[in-house]
Amino acid sequence: EADIYQTPRYLVIGTGKKITLECSQTMGHDKMYWYQQDPGMELHLIHYSYGVNSTEKGDLSSESTVSRIRTEHFPLTLESARPSHTSQYLCASNFAGNTGELFFGEGSRLTVL
Amino acid sequence: KQEVTQIPAALSVPEGENLVLNCSFTDSAIYNLQWFRQDPGKGLTSLLLIQSSQREQTSGRLNASLDKSSGRSTLYIAASQPGDSATYLCAVDNYGQNFVFGPGTRLSVLP
Repeated sequence: EADIYQTPRYLVIGTGKKITLECSQTMGHDKMYWYQQDPGMELHLIHYSYGVNSTEKGDLSSESTVSRIRTEHFPLTLESARPSHTSQYLCASNFAGNTGELFFGEGSRLTVL
Repeated sequence: KQEVTQIPAALSVPEGENLVLNCSFTDSAIYNLQWFRQDPGKGLTSLLLIQSSQREQTSGRLNASLDKSSGRSTLYIAASQPGDSATYLCAVDNYGQNFVFGPGTRLSVLP
């Protein structure tokens, strides 16, 4: 059973607002990830982390930023939201190595008006 | 660079049929391969993880196989049910890289 939680599940905001999407996991996983996915489309990795104080950019360029101050917490922030940021954001985590089953949260669906 | 493909892109079958979903990858230097299910608007649910040293994994009506040398994996679903309708994705965990996902197979099981 996956113990990875995302809040909010749904968010509708106006252009220019600052938002933070929260992601927490209770499995002690060292690696955490943020993916972006438009409806019916493929997943795109936007950020990942190997552990505390480690953050890396993913394959898809994103205007968002992330932080990893605690092992269990990996929030994603958009300083000034735009309609082009409308998408679903999925958080995931796993242990590094060949037994590292990847677990996903339920996702945060963001709509920017 | 690792590339993952899935065939077919979409599949519609009557309830009760056995079916096979295919996943291919170009680089055999992988830690493991994982199959997921995604329902519309939801996150991904892990179905099966096959480590690089394993040949197959089973969970209930699901059986996944891995042939690392040929870069192929199959997901076998026995006695399909309408509740199996979803998009199925495979992903490979590569040495020195992050997970690479396939585009998915959209499955519809008709009652």
